[in-house]
Amino acid sequence: GQQLNQSPQSMFIQEGEDVSMNCTSSSIFNTWLWYKQDPGEGPVLLIALYKAGELTSNGRLTAQFGITRKDSFLNISASIPSDVGIYFCAGRSSGSARQLTFGSGTQLTVLP
Amino acid sequence: DTEVTQTPKHLVMGMTNKKSLKCEQHMGHRAMYWYKQKAKKPPELMFVYSYEKLSINESVPSRFSPECPNSSLLNLHLHALQPEDSALYLCASSLHVFEYEQYFGPGTRLTVT
Repeated sequence: GQQLNQSPQSMFIQEGEDVSMNCTSSSIFNTWLWYKQDPGEGPVLLIALYKAGELTSNGRLTAQFGITRKDSFLNISASIPSDVGIYFCAGRSSGSARQLTFGSGTQLTVLP
Repeated sequence: DTEVTQTPKHLVMGMTNKKSLKCEQHMGHRAMYWYKQKAKKPPELMFVYSYEKLSINESVPSRFSPECPNSSLLNLHLHALQPEDSALYLCASSLHVFEYEQYFGPGTRLTVT
């Protein structure tokens, strides 16, 4: 089956620092979605990517769809305390198994 | 508006109880999903509805019974659950099945005693 490797598993950063996390897949994807989840809440969609090479921003967040179509990264600039949470990547292939495949998540902690 | 609502927010039930989880969206989406999520793990797909018909059942035990009364509503009926079924149950929707963005509701925190 499809697998997504998301790294790092956790990050501890100082407020104001930039953050980068990424996902790689074993197969080609045609969609990448990035979500943030706060404790006890549902995942909130941050950015959606549909084309290889696409670079999309949402405020301090920037995500890119890798040229190989097997990877994506998410950058957060100038982190603030409310950035704390778990970030999930999710990918979708064009094959028969088209449900979302989720990465294992990156737990982000922002220290004051 | 990209809102998916779920009720109740929290649910505690015994192993002999029957309860239902409810989900609603008014975005005109024709695909709706149920996911189960354990702490610090990614969501796991349970069921998919497309145009109010069950499209995918990911080998979920029969003690979970989904229902889609209309294009805006999705229910999950629970009966004779086990303690290991305790989890966050998430509803999601998308414009069409397995296409475009998928939006999640806030979830129902289920505890089985």
